[in-house]
Amino acid sequence: AQTVTQSQPEMSVQEAETVTLSCTYDTSESDYYLFWYKQPPSRQMILVIRQEAYKQQNATENRFSVNFQKAAKSFSLKISDSQLGDAAMYFCAYRSPVAGGKLIFGQGTELSVKP
Amino acid sequence: DGGITQSPKYLFRKEGQNVTLSCEQNLNHDAMYWYRQDPGQGLRLIYYSQIVNDFQKGDIAEGYSVSREKKESFPLTVTSAQKNPTAFYLCASRANSNTGELFFGEGSRLTVL
Repeated sequence: AQTVTQSQPEMSVQEAETVTLSCTYDTSESDYYLFWYKQPPSRQMILVIRQEAYKQQNATENRFSVNFQKAAKSFSLKISDSQLGDAAMYFCAYRSPVAGGKLIFGQGTELSVKP
Repeated sequence: DGGITQSPKYLFRKEGQNVTLSCEQNLNHDAMYWYRQDPGQGLRLIYYSQIVNDFQKGDIAEGYSVSREKKESFPLTVTSAQKNPTAFYLCASRANSNTGELFFGEGSRLTVL
């Protein structure tokens, strides 16, 4: 069975600085999808970025980018120019192309942004 | 606007009572999911449905039941058999695309008194 691990329960960053959140996963599949979700205090889950495993190019969405290392099974999220609104819980998630399309989530990393 | 609506947002229940959480989507998505969130444990899958009139158990289905009579609706019943039902419950639907990201509702907080 696939697993997702986020080893950093809490992280902190100064406003305007850069922070990287770590995520590793375990799978025997070669084709899959990876996601980062943000959960602010409102608790609404918001998709931040997605990555298809067959794509070698790292995904980027404005200030958010990933470092996808398929061989190492690593999928870290980099947030550049951090803003106060980035403070939230961040979840890494894995989706198999089969198995009902369900997402398997990591335990989450709580990010605080200091002004 | 298209989205997922969960109700109620907050719910209190006495021990021994069943309670049903509502989830409605107007995104025309085929698949829907129920997750439970507890502090420090991320999201765990309770049940999911890929098509009307069909659903499958997730990792923690014991004490829960679902139905999928309509494409738009996927209600979750928390039964009295669920030993620790106090939690935050999230409903989601999956985009009909290759990447298949999930779209989430705002969640329901259930507290058992």
